[in-house]
Amino acid sequence: AQSVTQLDSHVSVSEGTPVLLRCNYSSSYSPSLFWYVQHPNKGLQLLLKYTSAATLVKGINGFEAEFKKSETSFHLTKPSAHMSDAAEYFCVVSEEWNRDDKIIFGKGTRLHILP
Amino acid sequence: NAGVTQTPKFQVLKTGQSMTLQCAQDMNHEYMSWYRQDPGMGLRLIHYSVGAGITDQGEVPNGYNVSRSTTEDFPLRLLSAAPSQTSVYFCASTPSGTGSFYGYTFGSGTRLTVV
Repeated sequence: AQSVTQLDSHVSVSEGTPVLLRCNYSSSYSPSLFWYVQHPNKGLQLLLKYTSAATLVKGINGFEAEFKKSETSFHLTKPSAHMSDAAEYFCVVSEEWNRDDKIIFGKGTRLHILP
Repeated sequence: NAGVTQTPKFQVLKTGQSMTLQCAQDMNHEYMSWYRQDPGMGLRLIHYSVGAGITDQGEVPNGYNVSRSTTEDFPLRLLSAAPSQTSVYFCASTPSGTGSFYGYTFGSGTRLTVV
């Protein structure tokens, strides 16, 4: 069975400093992993995805994530935070063979950017 | 604009009332699903459909009903609203069999309050 754990419910960083949002997953088969972002009162937008190609994945708005199978992790990073990055971020896992297209959401990490 | 359209954006119901949340997509996606989002819980799957005429239950189906008579539409019905159904509801779609590769397209959400 697949599951995903976001290790921090809230993260605060100062503008211009690096961002790290942590995600660990559990999957019986080859997983696909995603990060979605939700700005206040908005829908969810796909940031980036890993689907068994390169382990370092680059997404939109300067975000990237690295798939580490040995650590079962898929942490999201950005070198320099911007005020517009303040949002809630969701790590999502799906098994590659998944017939029903089901995906499992983490509980979310709210990113606060301090001026 | 291609995408997933949800209506209404906001709704207040009295306990015991029924209503239908509408979801439509114009991308010819076979797979559609409904999620509810509650603080600290991430997104939880209510019902999903892998094609017209086919629906199945997700993680939290009680109190909700769905049907899929066309590829485009996937309405969610609340049979007798309860305060526990106060939440933000998201509809999502993906081409069938590819959700694990391409991710989902989400609607902008319906914020429902049951008093």
